[in-house]
Amino acid sequence: DADVTQTPRNRITKTGKRIMLECSQTKGHDRMYWYRQDPGLGLRLIYYSFDVKDINKGEISDGYSVSRQAQAKFSLSLESAIPNQTALYFCATSDLPGGSVRYTFGSGTRLTVV
Amino acid sequence: DAKTTQPPSMDCAEGRAANLPCNHSTISGNEYVYWYRQIHSQGPQYIIHGLKNNETNEMASLIITEDRKSSTLILPHATLRDTAVYYCIVRVRHQISSGSARQLTFGSGTQLTVLP
Repeated sequence: DADVTQTPRNRITKTGKRIMLECSQTKGHDRMYWYRQDPGLGLRLIYYSFDVKDINKGEISDGYSVSRQAQAKFSLSLESAIPNQTALYFCATSDLPGGSVRYTFGSGTRLTVV
Repeated sequence: DAKTTQPPSMDCAEGRAANLPCNHSTISGNEYVYWYRQIHSQGPQYIIHGLKNNETNEMASLIITEDRKSSTLILPHATLRDTAVYYCIVRVRHQISSGSARQLTFGSGTQLTVLP
């Protein structure tokens, strides 16, 4: 099984619908992240969480919300989906071996808003 | 975090060494150099990181110049499966708390194509 699992892998939804992307991890890491990637661009941080009680906005949090249900679970919600939220979404975890930061990413969720 | 500059694309023959450059001329003394790669539409994968010394692991070698203003990722014997976008990232050592945390920023990277 993958260390970081994202569901669903692909999703097509209509404008205005609420949608939740789920992420679970077996790494035992406290820190979790949601990124989005658009064609030809790098990854942009949406939200991150350093532990269950700690949630922080990233650079592009507008239109998104998150929930950290447990150490292993971090969900991303689009309250009212719009077409420019069509993108590839990645969940990641990180640990701190020797003071550096090493990320483990999930396989991604491809979201299309029509 | 320091800005990095990478060539947009490179080709390499299968079995040969792939040398991917990265400029980070504004790097600070407490910033690490990280390399990740992303194989088409998959999640990015950690490759290697370093601070001052050259580093080697089972995937690659990282050569950092003495002034730390540039680095090179070396894949010693490139295979077709190494075709991917390679990201060079510079950032500070981890933050203990989230209040002032700065996270990994992925730019556009270098598209490496390994040719048969």
